[in-house]
Amino acid sequence: DGGITQSPKYLFRKEGQNVTLSCEQNLNHDAMYWYRQDPGQGLRLIYYSQIVNDFQKGDIAEGYSVSREKKESFPLTVTSAQKHPTAFYLCASSIGRLAIQETQYFGPGTRLLVL
Amino acid sequence: SQQGEEDPQALSIQEGENATMNCSYKTSINNLQWYRQNSGRGLVHLILIRSNEREKHSGRLRVTLDTSKKSSSLLITASRAADTASYFCATGGNDMRFGAGTRLTVKP
Repeated sequence: DGGITQSPKYLFRKEGQNVTLSCEQNLNHDAMYWYRQDPGQGLRLIYYSQIVNDFQKGDIAEGYSVSREKKESFPLTVTSAQKHPTAFYLCASSIGRLAIQETQYFGPGTRLLVL
Repeated sequence: SQQGEEDPQALSIQEGENATMNCSYKTSINNLQWYRQNSGRGLVHLILIRSNEREKHSGRLRVTLDTSKKSSSLLITASRAADTASYFCATGGNDMRFGAGTRLTVKP
């Protein structure tokens, strides 16, 4: 099956701890994205990557870090610097070979909770 | 910053009725997309309308785009309980921006 997967479904973080959210896709897409969604709100862009070994900050990158070492994978680390991490995190991918807006395909999300 | 703004924030209708949601945006666009999100799930792409198109249909969905007013509308005809979800419009390039969404409830 082709698709985009996120793990874990739920993640608990202790104060001062860094945690990493996994995102994998087998759609052969170049571009990948991370969004944060707070309760009852829309999506806010954290980071995006258009190609391997390259990524750009979105609107709310502070307290987060990413890497893009492989085309299939775009992990997101929530660092201790992120003071309000509790949220629903969504990963997405798109073909990415065009400069214009493209359809994005979303994973099922990871809900991060702070203990 | 959010680019699209949906209206209304919440909409409750009876099964079989039509549901209309609106989206306004601020800057010029190449195209606009609508997505659906079931509670606690990822988003699913519904339809993309290009800036040179005025109307587009997909099954029970009808989307219109008015670039002079920087607005779009999504019409769901003959709604079903399974249409209960949040609906988002999105604009932009690779740094795509989503609005806060319209929460649609369809009562059986």
